[in-house]
Amino acid sequence: GAVVSQHPSRVICKSGTSVKIECRSLDFQATTMFWYRQFPKQSLMLMATSNEGSKATYEQGVEKDKFLINHASLTLSTLTVTSAHPEDSSFYICSAAEDRGQSYEQYFGPGTRLTVT
Amino acid sequence: AQSVAQPEDQVNVAEGNPLTVKCTYSVSGNPYLFWYVQYPNRGLQFLLKYITGDNLVKGSYGFEAEFNKSQTSFHLKKPSALVSDSALYFCAVSPPFSGGYNKLIFGAGTRLAVHP
Repeated sequence: GAVVSQHPSRVICKSGTSVKIECRSLDFQATTMFWYRQFPKQSLMLMATSNEGSKATYEQGVEKDKFLINHASLTLSTLTVTSAHPEDSSFYICSAAEDRGQSYEQYFGPGTRLTVT
Repeated sequence: AQSVAQPEDQVNVAEGNPLTVKCTYSVSGNPYLFWYVQYPNRGLQFLLKYITGDNLVKGSYGFEAEFNKSQTSFHLKKPSALVSDSALYFCAVSPPFSGGYNKLIFGAGTRLAVHP
């Protein structure tokens, strides 16, 4: 149980285009999902917290107009990187918190590697 | 500022030997503590957590961690390392009062290399 998927696993796009990454909780409902960014050989940096049916909460320094987050249902959150540039190339990982009282655990997706050329 | 420190970039251990991956934190109050493992080009897998209760927590794949409040540490341990344990390990803390599904602050990660 508690499986989180991400799609696509890998994407290459041209500079200036937009890319959408999906995060799904497959066997549980997730009121809250998190989006992280991981640079090579570095830790995960929380970008935003996504709550179903409401606006995402962005961490300081993360441009909300560039990284659009939508959490339309209890099993799906999407991250859209708008007008992507090479510096947006990174490994993006989502996680979902199970809607089961205070479980405290986040279940992580397998990640999406974005390369902007 | 709230932070998590993993002082070792890499830990090398021979297969069969015990391993320790260190983690200390600087968070006020009583945080929740976690260990995750990451294999190449993969997401994070949950290993174990400390919320309250017994200071020694047992988790997946034979790993355990000991919470030490006075030293603000949560070191990950395993009595006998396997080559398949080689991966990147992250310690994370969730500060108190940061929401029902709490935000995680991650350490920089420690690469564990177990050699035959």
